Amino acid sequence: DTAVSQTPKYLVTQMGNDKSIKCEQNLGHDTMYWYKQDSKKFLKIMFSYNNKELIINETVPNRFSPKSPDKAHLNLHINSLELGDSAVYFCASSQAGKTQYFGPGTRLLVL
Amino acid sequence: AQSVTQLDSQVPVFEEAPVELRCNYSSSVSVYLFWYVQYPNQGLQLLLKYLSGSTLVKGINGFEAEFNKSQTSFHLRKPSVHISDTAEYFCAVSDQYNNAGNMLTFGGGTRLMVKP
Repeated sequence: DTAVSQTPKYLVTQMGNDKSIKCEQNLGHDTMYWYKQDSKKFLKIMFSYNNKELIINETVPNRFSPKSPDKAHLNLHINSLELGDSAVYFCASSQAGKTQYFGPGTRLLVL
Repeated sequence: AQSVTQLDSQVPVFEEAPVELRCNYSSSVSVYLFWYVQYPNQGLQLLLKYLSGSTLVKGINGFEAEFNKSQTSFHLRKPSVHISDTAEYFCAVSDQYNNAGNMLTFGGGTRLMVKP
């Protein structure tokens, strides 16, 4: 009964491939997020999404796109992967914009 | 725009000693404040939060933090640390008024290293 779950936990792929990371929350929250943690542990927001609005951090390349099939899911699709995309990606969710609860992370390695 | 500064990238401390991890923020609007902990190769776990009310906030694992609006600080404290507290600690803020989707802005993290 994990609150925020992500799959896969690890993802190793070649440059140029397209991949997706899935996120599901069973908390009934109205907003979901994607964050990127780089090799220096720095965490940066990528997207914020609820059923009304998608907000994109302007620094995120358009190769990254969030896709939400329903309120409990926010998947991250990445086109044409680059070496610099290697990082840990965290999904999170919140209700009414307050406390965010994080998933366990997906460790992406691009070779 | 908001920013968060964690003044110490690493804090070494002996077991059972007190510790303070410092966090300062900058924002043009009122904010919510959070501390998260990340154990090695794991996700982020919420330690404590300040949304409103009392400026002294108590969290899990014996941690507490005090919101100081005039100094724009939200320092994290624990009176006696354990080896198991060794982890990376992140201070974060979000906009109270739902601008920018309430996205969290994180500090750079402080690595707490507890020595026996």
